[in-house]
Amino acid sequence: TQLLEQSPQFLSIQEGENLTVYCNSSSVFSSLQWYRQEPGEGPVLLVTVVTGGEVKKLKRLTFQFGDARKDSSLHITAAQPGDTGLYLCASNSGYALNFGKGTSLLVTP
Amino acid sequence: EAGVAQSPRYKIIEKRQSVAFWCNPISGHATLYWYQQILGQGPKLLIQFQNNGVVDDSQLPKDRFSAERLKGVDSTLKIQPAKLEDSAVYLCASSLVQGDVHEQFFGPGTRLTVL
Repeated sequence: TQLLEQSPQFLSIQEGENLTVYCNSSSVFSSLQWYRQEPGEGPVLLVTVVTGGEVKKLKRLTFQFGDARKDSSLHITAAQPGDTGLYLCASNSGYALNFGKGTSLLVTP
Repeated sequence: EAGVAQSPRYKIIEKRQSVAFWCNPISGHATLYWYQQILGQGPKLLIQFQNNGVVDDSQLPKDRFSAERLKGVDSTLKIQPAKLEDSAVYLCASSLVQGDVHEQFFGPGTRLTVL
């Protein structure tokens, strides 16, 4: 099973700040997904990246996939309280998902 | 379109008792997954079904956990007897595979507390 390391583990920032969270592995990803999980809910897919060097944007969220496909980052611009949640990266293990431990983000007004 | 439904949302039991969770996936999704999410960790796959057949149950503690998916739709996950370390959120997910990359849709989960 591919080991996914996410950092930082916790992040507390104020509204309007920018932030970046990371997902790394010692082995190559065939593809990587980012999910956000709000308290009391299941994870919801944000994006899937497949190609090395790929950059995808989703409103204020920017996702990058490393050239070597061993790492990925999620950058949030001008964070809002609604961005609060657990951000999980996941790689495919067959059709199932192998998740990292996540980055818990708290954005305060 | 209705999402993945799970019940109950919360359950508190004492160790050595039994408990069962129910999941109804999105209509038409052939693949169903059960994940265990311990506090502070990401979800960990317990079992994967394709229609009513088991694809992967390598991480399911089979001495106490069992799961079934009769008729390839609803699924139940049972723990008997429960241990303290089974306290976790149990997530059900379903997916419709299209090509090499697919999206899993998760239910809200059942939060189990074992005392």
